[in-house]
Amino acid sequence: NAGVTQTPKFQVLKTGQSMTLQCAQDMNHEYMSWYRQDPGMGLRLIHYSVGAGITDQGEVPNGYNVSRSTTEDFPLRLLSAAPSQTSVYFCASSPRENYGYTFGSGTRLTVV
Amino acid sequence: RKEVEQDPGPFNVPEGATVAFNCTYSNSASQSFFWYRQDCRKEPKLLMSVYSSGNEDGRFTAQLNRASQYISLLIRDSKLSDSATYLCVVAERGAGSYQLTFGKGTKLSVIP
Repeated sequence: NAGVTQTPKFQVLKTGQSMTLQCAQDMNHEYMSWYRQDPGMGLRLIHYSVGAGITDQGEVPNGYNVSRSTTEDFPLRLLSAAPSQTSVYFCASSPRENYGYTFGSGTRLTVV
Repeated sequence: RKEVEQDPGPFNVPEGATVAFNCTYSNSASQSFFWYRQDCRKEPKLLMSVYSSGNEDGRFTAQLNRASQYISLLIRDSKLSDSATYLCVVAERGAGSYQLTFGKGTKLSVIP
């Protein structure tokens, strides 16, 4: 199993550009989430999904969209990048409620 | 916002020492509890779940006190490889699913 795979690992965007961060897992996990991690702050939940076709907002959803057309994939779209979105983004998955999450290796995004 | 508070650290301890981390959480309805470790510029990795009866995994012991809303992690016989940031994580049920709230982490440096 590859686990949770995130691409790209690094990305530089200009303000106003859009892009999609990819996340795929091969563990047949129903639960998937996107987090961002900023210096001095804990990981913050952006969006999450409890299964294919079901998504919901987390703590900091503004400026981001998600979709979950398959169990395996959970892409995160930045609609119009802003410098405040410079961060490290982690995708994570879990097989069920009240169970630990497995994280991808992260995407380091810089918006200039 | 639901809060998870951790010792600010950093903790600098010699090899072989015993070190304890503490964590408090604000939501009394929290359901599940975890400790993760995060190495520099890496993703968080699940270290252990925390059960009401307390649990041990080798040199690591986790305790939960629901009445005081307090979680602890004890590391015995510290190794250089234990150097990392330790994240306290609390899961609680939101509107659609259970969600994780992360503490900001406590950095541990084990010194030769």
